[in-house]
Formats: sequence, C-alpha cells, structure tokens
Amino acid sequence: GENVEQHPSTLSVQEGDSAVIKCTYSDSASNYFPWYKQELGKGPQLIIDIRSNVGEKKDQRIAVTLNKTAKHFSLHITETQPEDSAVYFCAARWSQNFVFGPGTRLSVLP
Amino acid sequence: GAGVSQSPSNKVTEKGKDVELRCDPISGHTALYWYRQSLGQGLEFLIYFQGNSAPDKSGLPSDRFSAERTGGSVSTLTIQRTQQEDSAVYLCASSLNLLMDYTFGSGTRLTVV
Repeated sequence: GENVEQHPSTLSVQEGDSAVIKCTYSDSASNYFPWYKQELGKGPQLIIDIRSNVGEKKDQRIAVTLNKTAKHFSLHITETQPEDSAVYFCAARWSQNFVFGPGTRLSVLP
Repeated sequence: GAGVSQSPSNKVTEKGKDVELRCDPISGHTALYWYRQSLGQGLEFLIYFQGNSAPDKSGLPSDRFSAERTGGSVSTLTIQRTQQEDSAVYLCASSLNLLMDYTFGSGTRLTVV
C-alpha cells in the first residue's frame, strides 16, 4: 500500500519568513496530492492540491511542487503570518482513498 | 447543510460502555469517510462508504468498531465496550464521489475514562 512521510514534525518561523514542508510517497501510481490545514478544534481544510501532470502550482502565498521521479512534494508558504499557525497534512490519493502524512505543526512567531 | 456536521462535539464515556458518533454529510455527497486522529498524530483511515456499494471496512481496528450509513446520507460510527486507547478525535469527511476532495467535519472528541 501507499506510505506517506512528512517532515518536519514541528516548524517555527518568524513572521514574514518562508516555511517549507516536505512529503514523500511510496506508490508511483498515486496521482493526486492535496494539502490540508487544521486549526485548533477544527477539521482539516483543503488549502491547495496538485495533480501528477503538473510540476508546480501557486495560489497567492502558498505553492506546491511535485517531483514524480523522486516521489516527493512540498508545500511552500511565503511571507508567513500568525494566522498560518496550524497543523498541515499532506496526502496522496491511493486506490479509492487518501493516505495522509503524520502532520507538521507550524508556529509563526510574531 | 453547508458543511459536514458531526455530533456530539465532545463525548466522555466510561470504559466498557458503547458509544455512537454521528456524521451528517454535505447534501448530495455520495462518499463518506471516517478517520481517527489520536493526540498529536496523523489521520488514521477507518471506513468509507460510496453510494450503495459495500463499505470499505479495511481500516477498522477491531470488531468493536462498526459503522453504518442509512439512506445514503447520515452515518453512525459505533464503538462497543470502549477502551482507553479508543480516546481520540473521530473525523468524518464527505466528497461528491471517491475521486473528489474531502470536506471534513469538526470531529467528535472521545474520551474514555
């Protein structure tokens, strides 16, 4: 089956700096990779996604890159703000399901 | 409704008791999923339903866990004879179909004492 690893598990950055979270997956058949943001006491919410026929996608301050050969994808947040503080999960679609990474707790320090 | 609704939001139960957790998906979403999130951990798949097809129960951790979805809408996750290790946040998600993105509910925080 699919296995998704995610690093780092925790990340602290100064407000205004960039944050990068990296994920790897094991099954080359996976073709869709969403990222979710989970704020305290809430369910995860989709923030950006990328399909396997695309190498990079950007939406304002967030971007995702995909390297299919290496089977890794990354989330980039620029000009971080305190409201970016949350737990971020990467995921890979596998079979009829999504397999999630273990999460990264991002803290943006004022 | 506008989003995925879960109830209760919090549940404290005594070890050995049965609990029922409810999920009301977005209207028209044919796929419904249950995940478990233990403290500080990732999302552990439990079960999914797609339309009238037989559910995929491959993630249920033991036979104490079961789920049903009535009329293709509301789903109930039942945990029998709860154990302390069952303490977690149980998240429900729905999607238009199996190939679409999930919309998650806010979860039910279950504490077994």
